[in-house]
Amino acid sequence: GAVVSQHPSRVICKSGTSVKIECRSLDFQATTMFWYRQFPKQSLMLMATSNEGSKATYEQGVEKDKFLINHASLTLSTLTVTSAHPEDSSFYICSARDVSVDEQFFGPGTRLTVL
Amino acid sequence: DAKTTQPTSMDCAEGRAANLPCNHSTISGNEYVYWYRQIHSQGPQYIIHGLKNNETNEMASLIITEDRKSSTLILPHATLRDTAVYNCIVRVATSGYALNFGKGTSLLVTP
Repeated sequence: GAVVSQHPSRVICKSGTSVKIECRSLDFQATTMFWYRQFPKQSLMLMATSNEGSKATYEQGVEKDKFLINHASLTLSTLTVTSAHPEDSSFYICSARDVSVDEQFFGPGTRLTVL
Repeated sequence: DAKTTQPTSMDCAEGRAANLPCNHSTISGNEYVYWYRQIHSQGPQYIIHGLKNNETNEMASLIITEDRKSSTLILPHATLRDTAVYNCIVRVATSGYALNFGKGTSLLVTP
């Protein structure tokens, strides 16, 4: 299947700082990417849907000014957690849609720890 | 998307078949049954999907009942590396929508 990468794989930051997470589709163009987060022992929860060249659509309860999403190219979407707090510590996972096979592929996830 | 119900956890001995059930009694005619798994601290991995007929690939087999209200994922010879959370998701064919993950079944494969 197609490959989706995320960078960094894990990050530790101080409270109040901002963290950027990259999601790349390595061998296909992704017009749509999805951002999920997963708290310990919980299921994946959709945060937002990102369409290339347009504003992201956020799920209810997800602050768009805190979780900035940019999808400026067909192979890259970024999620920036601004002014991170310990409660933002979570596992962030992206998926990318490959329209040529009409399927989604997941990245390996980014573990964020805010001290 | 239709709701699915799965057991919280299951055990399986290494080398034996693991049969993971899923109920989806409200499935619509245009909805497929998808299975993903998530190994600890990794992203979800696609396993298999089907509409009506049974399906098999190199990873698993999917058995869908005739009324499509339930299905079973079969890992024919479970290994320790198959220990993971298995999610059954019902969705329409297009991949343009996010996947709705439940808590899935935590499968523990024991030596």
